[in-house]
Amino acid sequence: DTAVSQTPKYLVTQMGNDKSIKCEQNLGHDTMYWYKQDSKKFLKIMFSYNNKELIINETVPNRFSPKSPDKAHLNLHINSLELGDSAVYFCASSLPLAGGHYEQYFGPGTRLTVT
Amino acid sequence: AQSVTQLGSHVSVSEGALVLLRCNYSSSVPPYLFWYVQYPNQGLQLLLKYTTGATLVKGINGFEAEFKKSETSFHLTKPSAHMSDAAEYFCAVSKSLIAGGGADGLTFGKGTHLIIQP
Repeated sequence: DTAVSQTPKYLVTQMGNDKSIKCEQNLGHDTMYWYKQDSKKFLKIMFSYNNKELIINETVPNRFSPKSPDKAHLNLHINSLELGDSAVYFCASSLPLAGGHYEQYFGPGTRLTVT
Repeated sequence: AQSVTQLGSHVSVSEGALVLLRCNYSSSVPPYLFWYVQYPNQGLQLLLKYTTGATLVKGINGFEAEFKKSETSFHLTKPSAHMSDAAEYFCAVSKSLIAGGGADGLTFGKGTHLIIQP
């Protein structure tokens, strides 16, 4: 059983297009995230959702919009794709730890290539 | 604000030699610290984590890390490297919701690429 799954694994598209990446977790976690990993492997959080509410929204362009139809899903919609959006996008969900911390479980990633 | 510094973007060791990957953090509140491993074209897998209590934590695949508050460090070690350890390693810090509010995820270091020489 895959804990956190993403589709598609690879996505190649042209500039200006609109695309979506889907994420599902079967762990029963309340909080889900999207991270972006750039070409230098640097990982940075983009969004987190807790019980269908956006908690944080890092300084990402508003062309990116997370949508959560239910607690188990957090999809990422990207409008008007640009070359700089090419990256690997990781979905994650988190398990609460003591002290208010969270342990995160990551999906396999979606490699987005914009041409 | 939190930050994580991983010294050495690339570390090369011989098979069977000691692996030492360095991580220093800054946090205004007691941190929880994590090491993740990423194999080529794969997602991130948790190696180990420090929360509270024992400062020497053991993880999967023979890795361990020691939390040293006085040095703000959380270095990752393995006594004997194996070819299968070749991967990208990330140190990360989380902030307690109690301390800061909001599920603000993990702050990652820039990663260390571990190369194992035969």
